Amino acid sequence: EVQLVESGGGLVQPGGSLRLSCAVSGFTVRTYDMHWVRQPVGEGLEWVSGFGSAGDAYYRDSVKGRFTISKENAKNSLYLQMNSLSAGDTAIYYCARGGSGWQNRFFDLWGRGTLVTVSS
Amino acid sequence: QPVLTQSPSASASLGASVKLTCTLDSGHSAYAIAWHQQQPEKGPRYLMTVYSDGSHNKGDGIPDRFSGSSSGAERYLTISRLQSGDEADYYCQTWGTDIRVFGGGTKLSVL
Repeated sequence: EVQLVESGGGLVQPGGSLRLSCAVSGFTVRTYDMHWVRQPVGEGLEWVSGFGSAGDAYYRDSVKGRFTISKENAKNSLYLQMNSLSAGDTAIYYCARGGSGWQNRFFDLWGRGTLVTVSS
Repeated sequence: QPVLTQSPSASASLGASVKLTCTLDSGHSAYAIAWHQQQPEKGPRYLMTVYSDGSHNKGDGIPDRFSGSSSGAERYLTISRLQSGDEADYYCQTWGTDIRVFGGGTKLSVL
């Protein structure tokens, strides 16, 4: 079955760190662009970071220097290392796949999400 | 970078049709967009990609009741024969230089 399963969310204090994981099944993470998208509770979707199939990584401005996206081909997984967290990072974090070829501009598969709460 | 504008809410009756709109800013009016559906308490689901020429291609398993179209800078999602399960938030999405962009979403109520 083709699916994405996120894990690693939880409660963390301001200034703390958290590492999110996305376990991929049904396809190889090596051959697709992969992304993280977040959604503050009750609000809209916000793209966070992407990792291209060519190995390039890119981030929204508000997380640059704090978040690091990575892939591990052997475990067929995607990760998001989040440092210096603040209340504004509180959200459900979704793993998403970019489509094939030119369609890699769009997300064609989503996970169920993992909740990150930054609070003292 | 592109900006996508959506109406915050829409409503239609069970069994009727509804057309949701996503508007691209003038500098990106030829861009394609994707539509994603998010039912309550669930992750998003890809519905389709809609191109500037009005063509669209749908994701796996998306019913024929869902279709896409375009006019100028507007991209549309039409849902026919509305069902209660169509009550959801609908987001449009496109891309920019090293970023991805979402519209604010439209909450669809099925009456």
